[in-house]
Amino acid sequence: AQSVTQLGSHVSVSEGALVLLRCNYSSSVPPYLFWYVQYPNQGLQLLLKYTSAATLVKGINGFEAEFKKSETSFHLTKPSAHMSDAAEYFCAVSNSGGSNYKLTFGKGTLLTVNP
Amino acid sequence: GAGVSQSPSNKVTEKGKDVELRCDPISGHTALYWYRQSLGQGLEFLIYFQGNSAPDKSGLPSDRFSAERTGGSVSTLTIQRTQQEDSAVYLCASSLGQGKNIQYFGAGTRLSVL
Repeated sequence: AQSVTQLGSHVSVSEGALVLLRCNYSSSVPPYLFWYVQYPNQGLQLLLKYTSAATLVKGINGFEAEFKKSETSFHLTKPSAHMSDAAEYFCAVSNSGGSNYKLTFGKGTLLTVNP
Repeated sequence: GAGVSQSPSNKVTEKGKDVELRCDPISGHTALYWYRQSLGQGLEFLIYFQGNSAPDKSGLPSDRFSAERTGGSVSTLTIQRTQQEDSAVYLCASSLGQGKNIQYFGAGTRLSVL
């Protein structure tokens, strides 16, 4: 079984400040890891994914995440927050083995950006 | 090109009624998924289609829920005898294949059961 824990259901930062959204996972096999963003009344949009290549993954809109196997973490960062980054962010894991189609999501972190 | 399209975007129904939710995946995507997003449970996997077959229905919460996919394209999620706890946003996604292939999501259908 696999699971995802996102620490902090709500994170608030000032515009221009560092964004750090935390994600820890558990998986019995090497995982694939994803970060999705959801804007109000919209579907989920992929920010970035890790599929066992480089451990530092760069995504869209200036976001990046680092896979740390020893810490079972895949935290999302952005050096400087923009107002347009305000949204809900979801970390997800799937197996690299058998049931690799099934995404298991964290509960989400709502990011607020203050002017 | 067109993304994943879901209809209706909003559905209000009375308890006990049946509802059908539709998903049009991205053209050429063989894999299709349904997820449910609710306040209490977050995002939950419901069912996975590869072509017209559903090798994994393990996430369907009860036998009131069913889904089909025809022609390897459009999918319908049906909820019979709706209950208030079925109120949620139902999200559909599609991908070129499974595994590390990106799942592209629709905007969802917000279902409210009164």
